[in-house]
Amino acid sequence: GQQLNQSPQSMFIQEGEDVSMNCTSSSIFNTWLWYKQEPGEGPVLLIALYKAGELTSNGRLTAQFGITRKDSFLNISASIPSDVGIYFCAGRGADAGTASKLTFGTGTRLQVTL
Amino acid sequence: EAQVTQNPRYLITVTGKKLTVTCSQNMNHEYMSWYRQDPGLGLRQIYYSMNVEVTDKGDVPEGYKVSRKEKRNFPLILESPSPNQTSLYFCASSLGWNTEAFFGQGTRLTVV
Repeated sequence: GQQLNQSPQSMFIQEGEDVSMNCTSSSIFNTWLWYKQEPGEGPVLLIALYKAGELTSNGRLTAQFGITRKDSFLNISASIPSDVGIYFCAGRGADAGTASKLTFGTGTRLQVTL
Repeated sequence: EAQVTQNPRYLITVTGKKLTVTCSQNMNHEYMSWYRQDPGLGLRQIYYSMNVEVTDKGDVPEGYKVSRKEKRNFPLILESPSPNQTSLYFCASSLGWNTEAFFGQGTRLTVV
């Protein structure tokens, strides 16, 4: 099946710092999604990307759909304590067998210290 | 309020005792799916459904069954649970197969 490599696995940062994380795929994706999961909750959608090269912002969050269609990046600017959680990338493949399935990365655990 | 509702939230059961985890959405979504989340492995898709009476296997379907008799409900059935099915399970729905997925709050299942 498709594989998504997400890095880093975890990050410990100070409040106010910027954060970057990325995902790379072994195959071409048509859609990239970024989710955040807080303890005891299901993942919540942050940003959706549908076109190669697309750059989309949601408040302090910015994500990009890589032009090779095999990677995506999420940046968080000026982090705050409520940014703590696990961030997942997810994508849909380009061929008929993978387009209807959402594949998830292994997650980036973000901790923010005051 | 638009939501995906799973029940139960927590379940402890014994090996071999059949169980069903229910999932219901009130957004008239066509696409629904089940995932399991395990430490270090992210979320892996178990089964998905493109519409009523249309279901297909995801990446880890062994030991699970699903049914989609109505648009709003997509139960996950474990006919004979085993300890390796101890996990956190999420149901998700989306308007179509290529649109954003909305997740339920999860069901933590322990099989002893």
